[in-house]
Amino acid sequence: RKEVEQDPGPFNVPEGATVAFNCTYSNSASQSFFWYRQDCRKEPKLLMSVYSSGNEDGRFTAQLNRASQYISLLIRDSKLSDSATYLCVVKGGTSYGKLTFGQGTILTVHP
Amino acid sequence: GAVVSQHPSWVICKSGTSVKIECRSLDFQATTMFWYRQFPKQSLMLMATSNEGSKATYEQGVEKDKFLINHASLTLSTLTVTSAHPEDSSFYICSARVDQPQHFGDGTRLSIL
Repeated sequence: RKEVEQDPGPFNVPEGATVAFNCTYSNSASQSFFWYRQDCRKEPKLLMSVYSSGNEDGRFTAQLNRASQYISLLIRDSKLSDSATYLCVVKGGTSYGKLTFGQGTILTVHP
Repeated sequence: GAVVSQHPSWVICKSGTSVKIECRSLDFQATTMFWYRQFPKQSLMLMATSNEGSKATYEQGVEKDKFLINHASLTLSTLTVTSAHPEDSSFYICSARVDQPQHFGDGTRLSIL
């Protein structure tokens, strides 16, 4: 079983749509959780951290369920510029714990 | 914000060549840097953790003699792919840890002919 699993998609949605991505992780000792965005042939960039209480940043909402070891990302009012690969990332329990990346979910927003 | 610079951004060379990739932290000191590799349509995979002044820690399955890491200063880590072969062609990305999260370099696209 992969340490971090995501639905690879692709998700093809029209502008203005709401889309949700899911992610599960296997290491219950994981401490920190993130969503990164990666554009084609570019380095990943942090989209947002994910907290147990859930957090929102504009059109993006992230949720964490530790009991189920499940992370989600909701994008509302999708824009063309949201087209990218979204990476679910989990960090281990130590201060220098490594980041483990999911394979990514591809999103394409079309006019 | 923290900036990590990676050089070169693109390398094309013949099989058997050794290739050095540099990763620099531009406005902060990084005692720890990370090297990742990403094959097409796959996720980033951590190759090794580079520690300033000491030996790198390699992930399982990564050959330390093949992928030489040197972290001689607080702002520079280098990855040398020795005697590169076509199967080493990939996207190599470094990152440096500054609290949370890690900051990534632009990546190096390596193509071995």
